[in-house]
Amino acid sequence: DSGVTQTPKHLITATGQRVTLRCSPRSGDLSVYWYQQSLDQGLQFLIQYYNGEERAKGNILERFSAQQFPDLHSELNLSSLELGDSALYFCASSPWDRSYEQYFGPGTRLTVT
Amino acid sequence: QKEVEQDPGPLSVPEGAIVSLNCTYSNSAFQYFMWYRQYSRKGPELLMYTYSSGNKEDGRFTAQVDKSSKYISLFIRDSQPSDSATYLCAMYAGNMLTFGGGTRLMVKP
Repeated sequence: DSGVTQTPKHLITATGQRVTLRCSPRSGDLSVYWYQQSLDQGLQFLIQYYNGEERAKGNILERFSAQQFPDLHSELNLSSLELGDSALYFCASSPWDRSYEQYFGPGTRLTVT
Repeated sequence: QKEVEQDPGPLSVPEGAIVSLNCTYSNSAFQYFMWYRQYSRKGPELLMYTYSSGNKEDGRFTAQVDKSSKYISLFIRDSQPSDSATYLCAMYAGNMLTFGGGTRLMVKP
């Protein structure tokens, strides 16, 4: 158990809908990262937040957005969902001074039908 | 061409064998090199990471980095059936990790 928690574990929704994925980092970690894992693209970085502020952005679609709250939990919002958005979404967290040391949560499996 | 290349396998070995997993990369900006283990439908688990060229050992696992060749390896000694998983190499630069596609390892009793 990495100490990173994610909810829900599974999510099934229809095309065009909007969903919110939630993540709580390890105790003491200020950074949160979101990754998407699909069969064809592998594990890809989406976005990073550090203590409430966006720090780095990867190949995140405009339909996707994220935020980190004062209690350091983070939410990833996915809107206008398409079939191709079906994937595993992972959250990771790292110590403030070692952003390379990322610990992953159990993931949320999103299925868009 | 992807920034990080990894043979997808599957790699099948008998219990007790020495396993060698490898990745190549093209981006010289990568600073840290990590290995993750991922069991089916679970989150990646950080096994170890290295910063410079050379070897780093942790129990049955040894990570090796050759920056001049842009090549990293993970060796698993005395492999066990519980080591059966997908192994992902990852490289760090600019606050994010870039992953290889993963190698599926099967250790047969």
